[in-house]
Amino acid sequence: AQKITQTQPGMFVQEKEAVTLDCTYDTSDPSYGLFWYKQPSSGEMIFLIYQGSYDQQNATEGRYSLNFQKARKSANLVISASQLGDSAMYFCAMSFGTALIFGKGTTLSVSS
Amino acid sequence: EAQVTQNPRYLITVTGKKLTVTCSQNMNHEYMSWYRQDPGLGLRQIYYSMNVEVTDKGDVPEGYKVSRKEKRNFPLILESPSPNQTSLYFCASSLSGRTALKLGTQYFGPGTRLLVL
Repeated sequence: AQKITQTQPGMFVQEKEAVTLDCTYDTSDPSYGLFWYKQPSSGEMIFLIYQGSYDQQNATEGRYSLNFQKARKSANLVISASQLGDSAMYFCAMSFGTALIFGKGTTLSVSS
Repeated sequence: EAQVTQNPRYLITVTGKKLTVTCSQNMNHEYMSWYRQDPGLGLRQIYYSMNVEVTDKGDVPEGYKVSRKEKRNFPLILESPSPNQTSLYFCASSLSGRTALKLGTQYFGPGTRLLVL
């Protein structure tokens, strides 16, 4: 069965530092997508970045990059140069077939 | 403005009183989905719809119904709500469910906070 695991309930980082949020997944399907979403305290869900299972290169979107290690089944989110506005809950998600499953989330707190 | 709207945003009800949470999108998206978010459990998919008149169960469909009579609307119905359905509910839509990228790049509504007494 497909499964997404985020083992870090909370992470703390100082402004301008880089931070890595962990995500591992389990699937036997060769075709899938991996996503990260951000949920600020206001509650909305914001799409950040996507990685396809057949993509050879790691995805990047501005300060976000996805460290995709297929053999290890990991899809960690790297945020470079953290900002106060990055404080939020972050969810890793995986698409397979016609469904999307989410991990339990990691709360990131950025301090000045 | 491209958006997904949900109504109501907040709802307090009592056990057994039928309720409907509406969801509408103005982006002509094919794929729509409902999730519930509970502390420590992340988001779990309740139902999804690939297109008009096509719906399917997600991970936690018990106690919920949906319909997709028009492309833009995807209401969530709780026929007999119970306290364990107290949660934050999100409706989401995406261009299509046919590719991983399109499926997973979802636009979310603002959420509906439901309390069942």
